[in-house]
Amino acid sequence: GAGVSQTPSNKVTEKGKYVELRCDPISGHTALYWYRQSLGQGPEFLIYFQGTGAADDSGLPNDRFFAVRPEGSVSTLKIQRTERGDSAVYLCASSLDRASGANVLTFGAGSRLTVL
Amino acid sequence: GEDVEQSLFLSVREGDSSVINCTYTDSSSTYLYWYKQEPGAGLQLLTYIFSNMDMKQDQRLTVLLNKKDKHLSLRIADTQTGDSAIYFCAESLRSGYSTLTFGKGTMLLVSP
Repeated sequence: GAGVSQTPSNKVTEKGKYVELRCDPISGHTALYWYRQSLGQGPEFLIYFQGTGAADDSGLPNDRFFAVRPEGSVSTLKIQRTERGDSAVYLCASSLDRASGANVLTFGAGSRLTVL
Repeated sequence: GEDVEQSLFLSVREGDSSVINCTYTDSSSTYLYWYKQEPGAGLQLLTYIFSNMDMKQDQRLTVLLNKKDKHLSLRIADTQTGDSAIYFCAESLRSGYSTLTFGKGTMLLVSP
């Protein structure tokens, strides 16, 4: 597609429920990132995919968070047993995976998650 | 460790220049970036600078980098009301693939 697409744009759920957030990156971008942005904060790194594999998941806060990218394109971020503290905007970004040079990330508009 | 600091708020009048400042702690940063976020939108890359440069100009935008002081600034000339947004400074530690570490953002408010 022309840009990074994220769905849903808004998700309201109850504490303890399971949610899935989807990201469709720019066609041809092999690198895909998930970031979380809490109110008044900058984006915080969660996980990075190079193709189908998670190359760096050091930012995932705990084992309730998991992400997949089975075919190297669309990615799904999965959150189990949601807590109120998970409320944030979840941002997805993609880039050409380059061996050198600036890492130019293109971000989607984000999925706003509200846990009641 | 990685830490990027920014002032939280800046208010200017239309037509003035805006200067947004950022400091970072990791001297091994290779690239530094400026992103813009408008309400309800994702982050948009404005410009970036390689760490061995001290200045980069792109139309109304001028980036200054003082590597010794680990200080980065973004100057917007002839600021317009459409420039009102949150501006994020970010650093990456390696060339090519590298996660970006963002500051908390500076809200720029441009009044007519």
